Amino acid sequence: GAVVSQHPSRVICKSGTSVKIECRSLDFQATTMFWYRQFPKQSLMLMATSNEGSKATYEQGVEKDKFLINHASLTLSTLTVTSAHPEDSSFYICRAERGQWGTEAFFGQGTRLTVV
Amino acid sequence: AQRVTQPEKLLSVFKGAPVELKCNYSYSGSPELFWYVQYSRQRLQLLLRHISRESIKGFTADLNKGETSFHLKKPFAQEEDSAMYYCALRGASSGSARQLTFGSGTQLTVLP
Repeated sequence: GAVVSQHPSRVICKSGTSVKIECRSLDFQATTMFWYRQFPKQSLMLMATSNEGSKATYEQGVEKDKFLINHASLTLSTLTVTSAHPEDSSFYICRAERGQWGTEAFFGQGTRLTVV
Repeated sequence: AQRVTQPEKLLSVFKGAPVELKCNYSYSGSPELFWYVQYSRQRLQLLLRHISRESIKGFTADLNKGETSFHLKKPFAQEEDSAMYYCALRGASSGSARQLTFGSGTQLTVLP
């Protein structure tokens, strides 16, 4: 099956710094990638939809200036958490879809962000 | 709007017992329904989809349009089935409705 690689898998950063998370589709082109946030034992919360070559579409309540998304190529999307605070500590997951109508969805392994 | 409801946040069953994870959806058209599973420390992965009508790891799920449900079932639970299960819906039309909408998830624990 298709592989989506997310990096890093775990990161600890100081409050006030920025952290970049990468999501790559290794063997297919993903025109659309999605970024989720997951709290412990809770559901996935869609943060934004990232389309290659255009601005990301953010869900209501997600600060676009805080969570910067860049989808520069068909195989790479990045999420940058700017000026991180402890409340940003969470598990972030990306998802990429293959096919024109996104008939298959593949998830990255997730990034555990801890802001101290 | 499309919505997926998983009423049980936690579900525990004993090994060998039947298990049913409930999923109800709200969508005006003909949706695609999926079950995703997340084992401890692993990524989310597709378990099964309704259009395939397949059985994966002993799990089955039938789409009941009348009850707008897509419950996941297994006749004999195994300890390795312990995981977080998410029901998901994708609308049939193009655009934003093609997004996957996830339920809140059910944490299944199979006790020895």
